[in-house]
Amino acid sequence: QSALTQPASVSGSPGQSITISCTGTSSDVGSYNLVSWYQQHPGKAPKLMIYEGDKRPSGVSNRFSASKSGNTASLTISGLQAEDEADYYCCSYAGSSTFYVFGTGTKVTVL
Amino acid sequence: EVQLVESGGGLVQPGGSLRLSCAASGFSFSSYYMNWVRQAPGKGLEWVSYISSSSSTISYADSVKGRFTISRDNAKNSLYLQMNSLRVEDTAVYYCARGHTAASDIWGQGTMVTVSS
Repeated sequence: QSALTQPASVSGSPGQSITISCTGTSSDVGSYNLVSWYQQHPGKAPKLMIYEGDKRPSGVSNRFSASKSGNTASLTISGLQAEDEADYYCCSYAGSSTFYVFGTGTKVTVL
Repeated sequence: EVQLVESGGGLVQPGGSLRLSCAASGFSFSSYYMNWVRQAPGKGLEWVSYISSSSSTISYADSVKGRFTISRDNAKNSLYLQMNSLRVEDTAVYYCARGHTAASDIWGQGTMVTVSS
């Protein structure tokens, strides 16, 4: 099972919106509405930002939203803030044999 | 406070073994499935293994299948990962994570495993 494909880096100015793509296949992203997104600051554990495609856990800002079209999922961060600078990973359920596959990761830089 | 604390990491020679532990507190451990996820230095996240709440369903990534064994003791609120036949490429920070509808909502701080001669 290959990793989901994400852009290596995305940048934006404070207040702007950015979108991170996550491309999989019909065996993972395209088959299940079970994509999750994680934020990871340097030296820290990942933090769940989105689950079940577009749901936000309690405490996660509504500036984070997600969607899916076909085999590609997307995470949008609106009103970009300095604290959003981090690595972001998508993850998809991939069936009962493979279970989960992570994305390659995207470094978000706030200019 | 909901918390996961990993332990057991360290330096081991190629071919060696190590057992990681994850102590859960602040929630009903026996009600949740659990995952191990690892991250090699400077690299991305990689799912390693899954265990259901009752241990009835277990799954492994192809990269560790046949070498790693996941288990849990619900009476002790603990998750384990027995790692045998370790390879240099197994070097990583290993995280335990609580399952939440095909995602992981609580993560430990991680424990570093270094495989080197």
